[in-house]
Amino acid sequence: AQSVTQPDIHITVSEGASLELRCNYSYGATPYLFWYVQSPGQGLQLLLKYFSGDTLVQGIKGFEAEFKRSQSSFNLRKPSVHWSDAAEYFCAVGLYSSASKIIFGSGTRLSIRP
Amino acid sequence: DAGVIQSPRHEVTEMGQEVTLRCKLISGHNSLFWYRQTMMRGLELLIYFNNNVPIDDSGMPEDRFSAKMPNASFSTLKIQPSEPRDSAVYFCASSFVGDQPQHFGDGTRLSIL
Repeated sequence: AQSVTQPDIHITVSEGASLELRCNYSYGATPYLFWYVQSPGQGLQLLLKYFSGDTLVQGIKGFEAEFKRSQSSFNLRKPSVHWSDAAEYFCAVGLYSSASKIIFGSGTRLSIRP
Repeated sequence: DAGVIQSPRHEVTEMGQEVTLRCKLISGHNSLFWYRQTMMRGLELLIYFNNNVPIDDSGMPEDRFSAKMPNASFSTLKIQPSEPRDSAVYFCASSFVGDQPQHFGDGTRLSIL
């Protein structure tokens, strides 16, 4: 069965520090991969997506993610976080065989230390 | 462009009452998804439609839940009768089949007393 694992439930980093959020997936083929961000009281906003091609993907708000097939990973990175980046981050996998159904990870809550 | 629009934003009602949540898709999108988010279970897919046809409703918890797409741009999620354990934030999302990703509405926070 397809699955998405975000091993870190909560991460705290200092403002200006670099960030890496981990995501591992289980799927038999190359999936569609996504990162979404959710601020309190808001819906999910797409940060970036990977469908094919270059394995380093640039997104909005200065985020990037790298698809590593050998590790079944799609980690999200940002070189310098801002206080406004505090939110919940979700990794998701899209399944070729199910039209546009996607499976979400359990999320990582990011806190920013002043 | 307008995004996915959900109404109401907040709903508080007593158990046993019928609840109807509404969603307007982004113009041109042809897939519609209903999710439920709780602290305990995270984000769960309840049902999704492609071109107004329900494709997978395996996430619908019970027969008390039903969803419809009366036209290509609008959907409802109905709970009848409602129970306190249905309290959650309900999101809808839309996309264009073959050109993911999904775009989410701001959700409906439902509280059943």
